[in-house]
Amino acid sequence: QVQLQESGPGLVKPSGTLSLTCAVSGGSISTSNWWSWVRQPPGKGLEWIGEIYHSGSTNYNPSLRSRVTISVDKSKHQFSLKLNSVTAADTAVYYCARVAAVAGNAFDIWGQGTMVTVSS
Amino acid sequence: EIVLTQSPATLSLSPGERATLSCRASQSVSSDLAWYQQKPGQAPRLLIYDAFNRATDIPARFSGSGSGTDFTLTISSLEPEDFAIYYCQQRNNWPMYTFGQGTKLEIK
Repeated sequence: QVQLQESGPGLVKPSGTLSLTCAVSGGSISTSNWWSWVRQPPGKGLEWIGEIYHSGSTNYNPSLRSRVTISVDKSKHQFSLKLNSVTAADTAVYYCARVAAVAGNAFDIWGQGTMVTVSS
Repeated sequence: EIVLTQSPATLSLSPGERATLSCRASQSVSSDLAWYQQKPGQAPRLLIYDAFNRATDIPARFSGSGSGTDFTLTISSLEPEDFAIYYCQQRNNWPMYTFGQGTKLEIK
């Protein structure tokens, strides 16, 4: 059973860089699935940030593309998110999720989420 | 960008009743639509993909229908654990995914 676990600092200063990692366990990251990041500001809805394939191919939300980098480390079975020039508007719970090729490319497995607050 | 509009924003029902949640797309998404359930403090859970396919271990009381621009999630008989927020999500214009704003299903 594949499981995902986010990790990273819970507090980032304005104008700094948010860095998170998602560890994949119970299965391979090198499958026919994409791996995504989704965020949710407090009390609000879900926003897709971007995704990566094990080959390193990436796709990003156009609204965040200029500030986002997603990378993969197959040897460590993990993928990572970097979001630079953060502001208070980037305060959110950040989730990693699997985009399931066998389930209509929906997000079928999610991490528990990690809260990141942007504040000085 | 494809915009998904969910209605109603809040739905108040009692256990045992039937729930009907709507999701309308600003342009056709074919059948590339999924539904998720989210409870407080938890990650979303996939319920339905490709408009009508139930995900693994999802009870049969959950069903999805629709295609094009109009979609429905139906819960045939509400259980106490079904009260949550429900989101629709499209992938038709991959590589971009968008979510609806959510419908809160609350106990009446």
